[in-house]
Amino acid sequence: DTGVSQDPRHKITKRGQNVTFRCDPISEHNRLYWYRQTLGQGPEFLTYFQNEAQLEKSRLLSDRFSAERPKGSFSTLEIQRTEQGDSAMYLCANSQQGFAGELFFGEGSRLTVL
Amino acid sequence: QKEVEQNSGPLSVPEGAIASLNCTYSDRGSQSFFWYRQYSGKSPELIMFIYSNGDKEDGRFTAQLNKASQYVSLLIRDSQPSDSATYLCAVDKLIFGTGTRLQVFP
Repeated sequence: DTGVSQDPRHKITKRGQNVTFRCDPISEHNRLYWYRQTLGQGPEFLTYFQNEAQLEKSRLLSDRFSAERPKGSFSTLEIQRTEQGDSAMYLCANSQQGFAGELFFGEGSRLTVL
Repeated sequence: QKEVEQNSGPLSVPEGAIASLNCTYSDRGSQSFFWYRQYSGKSPELIMFIYSNGDKEDGRFTAQLNKASQYVSLLIRDSQPSDSATYLCAVDKLIFGTGTRLQVFP
């Protein structure tokens, strides 16, 4: 257990619906990342926060995706008008400012879009 | 061109052998390199990081970095069946390769 929790662990939705995932990080880790991983692939970077500021967003990320981190604590990732291609594991990860390389991953939220 | 490339495998080695996992990267300015291990159905966990050319050893694991060749590798000595997992190479802004699946058979 890394101390990073994600909710829900599984989500099944119909195409066109909106979904939201939540990540509760390790409290003293101020960097928070969202990744997406599909079977047989490595994690794909989506976006990154330092405290409450969203510092980077993948240029591959559709505008249907939005992430927030109010007050620099928990974070949410929303996907609007889901498509079947959005089916994946959505991973949240934390790191400390002093050592950005070690990511502590949550267990992930698996999304299935029917 | 992918930023980080790995052979997807599977790489099969017998128990007790040395497993060699390789990774190449495209950005010559990359500064930091990481190896993560991911068991099936689990999230990645950090094994090693390396910043300087040469070798870095930690127990049975050795990371090797050659910036001139844009190449980083991970050696696992005395491989155990419990080492069977996917090994992910990551650089700088934590861009991951696709991972190499390692199978260690008894």
